[in-house]
Amino acid sequence: DQQVKQNSPSLSVQEGRISILNCDYTNSMFDYFLWYKKYPAEGPTFLISISSIKDKNEDGRFTVFLNKSAKHLSLHIVPSQPGDSAVYFCAASAYLDRDDKIIFGKGTRLHILP
Amino acid sequence: NAGVTQTPKFQVLKTGQSMTLQCAQDMNHEYMSWYRQDPGMGLRLIHYSVGAGITDQGEVPNGYNVSRSTTEDFPLRLLSAAPSQTSVYFCASSTGGGSEKLFFGSGTQLSVL
Repeated sequence: DQQVKQNSPSLSVQEGRISILNCDYTNSMFDYFLWYKKYPAEGPTFLISISSIKDKNEDGRFTVFLNKSAKHLSLHIVPSQPGDSAVYFCAASAYLDRDDKIIFGKGTRLHILP
Repeated sequence: NAGVTQTPKFQVLKTGQSMTLQCAQDMNHEYMSWYRQDPGMGLRLIHYSVGAGITDQGEVPNGYNVSRSTTEDFPLRLLSAAPSQTSVYFCASSTGGGSEKLFFGSGTQLSVL
């Protein structure tokens, strides 16, 4: 059972436009959400996060929105730049089974078109 | 600042061979973990450790062993390699807790023939 879902395997966006990456989760116990960015042949790097007590967190061109009632979060990148072409992983965490659990989605590959 | 260092970067094994993937971090992080990344499967947790001497299984632990004798090192051992273990392996560390961001190594690409 996939607890964190990124339903779009890939997304293409024109340079300068807004990129919106979506993530859905099923477990209401998740209380912290993180986005990671991954370039080919490199390890993922942390991008931005949000606590379940907030509905928005912004860091420069990156904004994450959380809709708890819909169990949905999204990452907005404005404006999109060529260096944003990468795979983006959504991750959710919760204290489950006596330990902190971090569950990753399958990732969305973002292509920024010139 | 080295961060999380993984060796080797590439490895080819024959079915049945054993090997150890090395992971070291210099950030004094208590939490360390191993993930594998397969096409269309995202990052799946193999094993993790919340401190020296403490390890636990993740989502896909079969065929792998770990130990944590020091805070810095968290090696991953493949006991008898199988083609299904062909994957990219990432080691990660953090200060601990689900809200703390993970720092990843650059990965080990493993092929089992």
